[in-house]
Amino acid sequence: AQTVTQSQPEMSVQEAETVTLSCTYDTSESDYYLFWYKQPPSRQMILVIRQEAYKQQNATENRFSVNFQKAAKSFSLKISDSQLGDAAMYFCAYRGSDGNAGNMLTFGGGTRLMVKP
Amino acid sequence: SAVISQKPSRDICQRGTSLTIQCQVDSQVTMMFWYRQQPGQSLTLIATANQGSEATYESGFVIDKFPISRPNLTFSTLTVSNMSPEDSSIYLCSVAPGLINTEAFFGQGTRLTVV
Repeated sequence: AQTVTQSQPEMSVQEAETVTLSCTYDTSESDYYLFWYKQPPSRQMILVIRQEAYKQQNATENRFSVNFQKAAKSFSLKISDSQLGDAAMYFCAYRGSDGNAGNMLTFGGGTRLMVKP
Repeated sequence: SAVISQKPSRDICQRGTSLTIQCQVDSQVTMMFWYRQQPGQSLTLIATANQGSEATYESGFVIDKFPISRPNLTFSTLTVSNMSPEDSSIYLCSVAPGLINTEAFFGQGTRLTVV
């Protein structure tokens, strides 16, 4: 079974600064998909960024980028120019490529990000 | 994309009673997923619901406790039965309507408190 680990329960960053959230995972599959989701106090899960394992290039979405190290099974999220609205729980998630398993996600334990003004 | 309407958004229930949570999607989807998020914790998959067949439950979750209905391709319900305070959690439904690598969409969650 796949597991996803986020080793930082809480992180803090100054507004306008950069912060990196860590995520490692364990899988025997060679083809899979990785995601970062944001959950603000509203409880709504919001996709931040996705990465296909077969792609060597790291995904980027505006101020959000990932450092995907497939051999190390590492998938960190970098938030640049942090804003107060970035404060939330961040979840790293894994999805395998087995169609029989459906599109279920395996989530890490989450990292609570606080942004200081 | 998909828009999911989940009801109720929150409820406070007496122990021993049951609560049914509804999830309505604005498009047809093959699979719907139900997750539980215990206080301060991550999301754990309860079951996968296919239309026209019994739901598939993950280890630690049983049909008698969490019966699921999936009468059509846009709707599903999750019932939390014979509730105890340990069932106090956020329950979320989710769909992933596109190709396998596209994002999953979530309802806004149901915050359940059992007293």
